[in-house]
Amino acid sequence: NAGVTQTPKFQVLKTGQSMTLQCAQDMNHEYMSWYRQDPGMGLRLIHYSVGAGITDQGEVPNGYNVSRSTTEDFPLRLLSAAPSQTSVYFCASTPGAGGGRPGELFFGEGSRLTVL
Amino acid sequence: DAKTTQPTSMDCAEGRAANLPCNHSTISGNEYVYWYRQIHSQGPQYIIHGLKNNETNEMASLIITEDRKSSTLILPHATLRDTAVYYCIVRGSYNTDKLIFGTGTRLQVFP
Repeated sequence: NAGVTQTPKFQVLKTGQSMTLQCAQDMNHEYMSWYRQDPGMGLRLIHYSVGAGITDQGEVPNGYNVSRSTTEDFPLRLLSAAPSQTSVYFCASTPGAGGGRPGELFFGEGSRLTVL
Repeated sequence: DAKTTQPTSMDCAEGRAANLPCNHSTISGNEYVYWYRQIHSQGPQYIIHGLKNNETNEMASLIITEDRKSSTLILPHATLRDTAVYYCIVRGSYNTDKLIFGTGTRLQVFP
């Protein structure tokens, strides 16, 4: 198993550009989520999904869109990038009910985004 | 979600026990206490979780007070590789409940 895979690992954007951060997991996990981490700060939840076709907002959803068309993939879209979105983005997944330890998130390696 | 309070930073000598405190005075009856750590800029790693009983695994021990308003994560023999930011999180009991991270405690293990 590859676990949780994020691409790209590094990206530089100009203000106003759009892009998609990809996240894929091969563990058949129901729950997936996106966090952002600013320098010296903890992680903040952006969006999450409890299963294919279901998404919901976290703490800081503005400026980001998500969709969950398959169990494996959970892409994060920046529609019009702003310098305030410069951050490290982490994708995470966890099994659904009855699988594994509840609340144990498996994280990807992170995607480092700079918006100029 | 209940909020947690942790010290900003702590030091520990290598080989000694590291005791990381966490206050969660507004925790409700069905909420668990989770601990994660983040080494350098990697993704956070699950350590342990508990409801009311003390828990131990291969990584650490979790001591929860009887009133559940605080807990302590214990790394029994800290090594340099345990230098990390440690997050204490309170979360509900359903798999769909969110994990909300705070700012954590930066533990520095020194030789």
